[in-house]
Amino acid sequence: AGVTQSPTHLIKTRGQQVTLSCSPISGHRSVSWYQQTPGQGLQFLFEYFSETQRNKGNFPGRFSGRQFSNSRSEMNVSTLELGDSALYLCASSEGLDNEQFFGPGTRLTVL
Amino acid sequence: DAKTTQPPSMDCAEGRAANLPCNHSTISGNEYVYWYRQIHSQGPQYIIHGLKNNETNEMASLIITEDRKSSTLILPHATLRDTAVYYCIVVGSARQLTFGSGTQLTVLP
Repeated sequence: AGVTQSPTHLIKTRGQQVTLSCSPISGHRSVSWYQQTPGQGLQFLFEYFSETQRNKGNFPGRFSGRQFSNSRSEMNVSTLELGDSALYLCASSEGLDNEQFFGPGTRLTVL
Repeated sequence: DAKTTQPPSMDCAEGRAANLPCNHSTISGNEYVYWYRQIHSQGPQYIIHGLKNNETNEMASLIITEDRKSSTLILPHATLRDTAVYYCIVVGSARQLTFGSGTQLTVLP
């Protein structure tokens, strides 16, 4: 099975918070999160490996994540803004030197 | 990571080979060339990657020039399901993928 993400779609209002979930391919220990919008393209949020954040992109502290011992990962966005509306993508890889495989994404709409 | 340049769009007849070019003239020695594709509103799909040798897998072939300043992705027998935006990216140790505008490939029946 490939990378799975939940939920597939989500509608929230400004000021709310949201948690998105990602299950990597079995055996993969690295999980990265990306935000994709028509205007900004694909932007890197953060990468986790063995429950530790290894890299972080240029996003405000409202965006956070974590990885569990089974490599599953969650990302949280607090105090949602209209500009947070995007497709949030999770990608997994075996290690830190391997190709990344993407999930189908979670489409977040902030009203 | 080095920047890449791709044509904004290309057409290909179904059953024919699709050859998608990419320029990456500022690539450095330890950076790989990766290809992904994305069908509208779906997650990007990994296709292939290479460092300096040509590579082939079940999906495509990747031809990298000797000076590594450009590459070509070849889909040997394009089908309608290959219609997508194709992204050529250069990935170094940072591993932070950044997609440019890509090439919209349209496979025509």
